Amino acid sequence: GAGVSQTPSNKVTEKGKYVELRCDPISGHTALYWYRQSLGQGPEFLIYFQGTGAADDSGLPNDRFFAVRPEGSVSTLKIQRTERGDSAVYLCASSLSAGENEQFFGPGTRLTVL
Amino acid sequence: KNQVEQSPQSLIILEGKNCTLQCNYTVSPFSNLRWYKQDTGRGPVSLTIMTFSENTKSNGRYTATLDADTKQSSLHITASQLSDSASYICVVSGRGSYIPTFGRGTSLIVHP
Repeated sequence: GAGVSQTPSNKVTEKGKYVELRCDPISGHTALYWYRQSLGQGPEFLIYFQGTGAADDSGLPNDRFFAVRPEGSVSTLKIQRTERGDSAVYLCASSLSAGENEQFFGPGTRLTVL
Repeated sequence: KNQVEQSPQSLIILEGKNCTLQCNYTVSPFSNLRWYKQDTGRGPVSLTIMTFSENTKSNGRYTATLDADTKQSSLHITASQLSDSASYICVVSGRGSYIPTFGRGTSLIVHP
């Protein structure tokens, strides 16, 4: 079966612009996680969903970041007024349910803010 | 605060040699520990998972150990191959927690 997919694979934008990053989880996985990974670092937690609701968004760095998962499947991470410091790889992962289950990661979206 | 520390930060070895990567954690109460392999430009992929009662688990040439008393884990790679070049990330889940704690990873380069 298909794994987690993310689009686009690369996104280059200018400072101040708005971007949307998309994640398609594995079918049947109810939990979905977003992470941000800078070069040479491990993934940094941003937000996770259990079903349609954001169960924990404590990792979002500020109110320019927002994520939705309206039908409990595909999720979109939205970043407003992008800054150069937002440049990173944004990883999405899904699991059967939230908690201690294995997370399956997508290939990530590399965001570059010029 | 839950933390996961990995060492070394980076490692270069020759093809065919063995190596061992280390992971120390403070996550408590402990549920499980996973080692992930992350190839350049790809998402992490799980290699092994260990729970409290397990102290050794193998996956091909990868062998993970866990000492839950000292809160240490290691990942041993035997007879390294060029394809082992990647970042290896230690991830610890706490019992009852929905958010695992990630280490920074060890970058391994295998030279021919």
